[in-house]
Amino acid sequence: VQLVESGGGLVQPGGSLRLSCAASGFTFSSYAMSWVRQAPGKGLEWVSGISGSGDNTYYADSVKGRFAIARDNSKNTLYLQMNRLRAEDTALYYCALVESYWYFDLWGRGTLVTVSS
Amino acid sequence: EIVLTQSPGTLSLSPGERATLSCRASQSVSSSYLAWYQQKPGQAPRLLIYGAFSRATGIPDRFSGSGSGTDFTLTISRLEPEDFAVYYCQQYGSSVWTFGQGTKVEIK
Repeated sequence: VQLVESGGGLVQPGGSLRLSCAASGFTFSSYAMSWVRQAPGKGLEWVSGISGSGDNTYYADSVKGRFAIARDNSKNTLYLQMNRLRAEDTALYYCALVESYWYFDLWGRGTLVTVSS
Repeated sequence: EIVLTQSPGTLSLSPGERATLSCRASQSVSSSYLAWYQQKPGQAPRLLIYGAFSRATGIPDRFSGSGSGTDFTLTISRLEPEDFAVYYCQQYGSSVWTFGQGTKVEIK
């Protein structure tokens, strides 16, 4: 049972990046999923969530209108499309499995996004 | 949006001592939707407690959660060397998840 994030890197302010999270070892479509980020030396910040079917999506105010979460249940993969990136989006981005009572039961190891010119 | 405030920011204790960590919400939180995580340097967070009271799989019974409404507590009955870490509380409500800012438990 694991989650593996990829797609992070260095991007200029105003640029775009798409993160992926490959899931294995469980029935991916049965679970809501989320992205949580952690700026260097800072605490955890929830970014976005999506229902198991993909029909419902949720966003933190800090990313609403700039980020888009999606999933492909046929590929067991979660995505985060990040547009109009800002320096304050620099962080380690984790994907996490959301359990029935809306807590994060399984985490990936994260992928680092750095927004800098 | 519900804001979670954790206190203290840092707790300096010795192995074997009892740790009491507080998480206060800006408005009432359903106990079902309150969780606690442990994070060690260079590692992803690990779920400790969910539903305010229930220990996650494999979590030792020296970890316990309590509280209701706006005040929740994580207690570590006797600190082991591997318990020195940062702890976060988290809540869910109205399609939004929020975390507290964290409490660092350090070796005195």
